[in-house]
Formats: sequence, C-alpha cells, structure tokens
Amino acid sequence: AQSVSQHNHHVILSEAASLELGCNYSYGGTVNLFWYVQYPGQHLQLLLKYFSGDPLVKGIKGFEAEFIKSKFSFNLRKPSVQWSDTAEYFCAVTLNGGATNKLIFGTGTLLAVQP
Amino acid sequence: KAGVTQTPRYLIKTRGQQVTLSCSPISGHRSVSWYQQTPGQGLQFLFEYFSETQRNKGNFPGRFSGRQFSNSRSEMNVSTLELGDSALYLCASSPPGQSYEQYFGPGTRLTVT
Repeated sequence: AQSVSQHNHHVILSEAASLELGCNYSYGGTVNLFWYVQYPGQHLQLLLKYFSGDPLVKGIKGFEAEFIKSKFSFNLRKPSVQWSDTAEYFCAVTLNGGATNKLIFGTGTLLAVQP
Repeated sequence: KAGVTQTPRYLIKTRGQQVTLSCSPISGHRSVSWYQQTPGQGLQFLFEYFSETQRNKGNFPGRFSGRQFSNSRSEMNVSTLELGDSALYLCASSPPGQSYEQYFGPGTRLTVT
C-alpha cells in the first residue's frame, strides 16, 4: 500500500535558521507530490506541488522542495524561517494518471519558530 | 471566487446519534473529497465524489457515507456515532481536468460525547 513518511514530528527553530523537513513515499509508480501547510486556526493550504519536469520546485512564502526519484523523497526547505512560519506541515502524494484526486498524507511535522 | 465552505463549523453529538455534514465546493469544481483529521491518525481519506458518483473510498466502516448533488455540493453522514469519530472533517474540491490540486475548506469539528 502507498504510504508517506515524515520523520520529523516536531521541530523547533529560531528565526533566521534554515529549515529542511523530510518526506519519503512508498510507491513504485509515477506520483504527484505536494506540501500543504496548516497555520494555527486556519485551513490547509497548498505550499507547493510537483507533477513533472524540474525536480526543484518553488512554492509560496520562499519555500522550495526537491524531488529525488531514486530516494523516493520530496524534502521541503526554506533558507531562513520566520516566526510566521509556525504551523503544521504535511507532505502528500497522489497517483499520476489515476482517475482520482485521493491524497495520501504523511503524519505531519509541527514547526515552532521562536522569535 | 469564494473558497470551499463547510457547515456547520462545530458540532457536538452524543454516542449513537447520527450526523450530516455539508460541503459547498468552489464554483466550477466538480470533484469533492472528504478527509478525517485526528491527532492520532492524522489526515485520512474518506471518499471522493465526481459528478454525483463516488469515485474512490477510503478504509472506513459503512457507518460513514456520502453523496454529491447535481450542483456539486456534497454531504457526508455518520450513523451510530462513536467516541472515536470525534475529529475535524475536511472537505476539499478540485478544478476540472486532472490537475490533482485540492482546495480545502475550514472543516467541521465534530465532538462525540
């Protein structure tokens, strides 16, 4: 069965520190990859997505992610975090070419940025 | 464009009761998916509807059901509520075509006592 793993469950950083959140998926076929963010009290929002092409994708708010097919990974990065980045981050995958939009989510990483 | 709306936003029910949650997708979106979010299990897929047909279903008991209307609005129903059904229920809609992007609503917070 497909699954998504996020190894960091809780991350605490100081402002201006660099961020990297790990995401690995298990599926042998072609997938679409996403990072969603849930700010406190707000709904899930799409940060960035990868369907095909350049494996380095840029999203909103200075976030980027790199798809490494050989490692089944899609790690999220930001060079310098801000207090406003405090949120829960979810990695997710859907099957490419499947007649469904079903998202399989990782367990989430809670990021706390200290001012 | 208005986002995905869900009603009610909060709900308290008693074990054994049933509940119906509603979701209105973004205008023009025909695909609606439902997810359950709990601290222990995270975000889990419930079902997906497209043009009034269930296109995919997650691994939930038959007490969980849903439907979609001709205007793409969707409802989900949970019968014989259990304490473990307490969760945030999220609805998401997708634009036409295979974009795979989903836009989430604010969710309905269900508490079962």
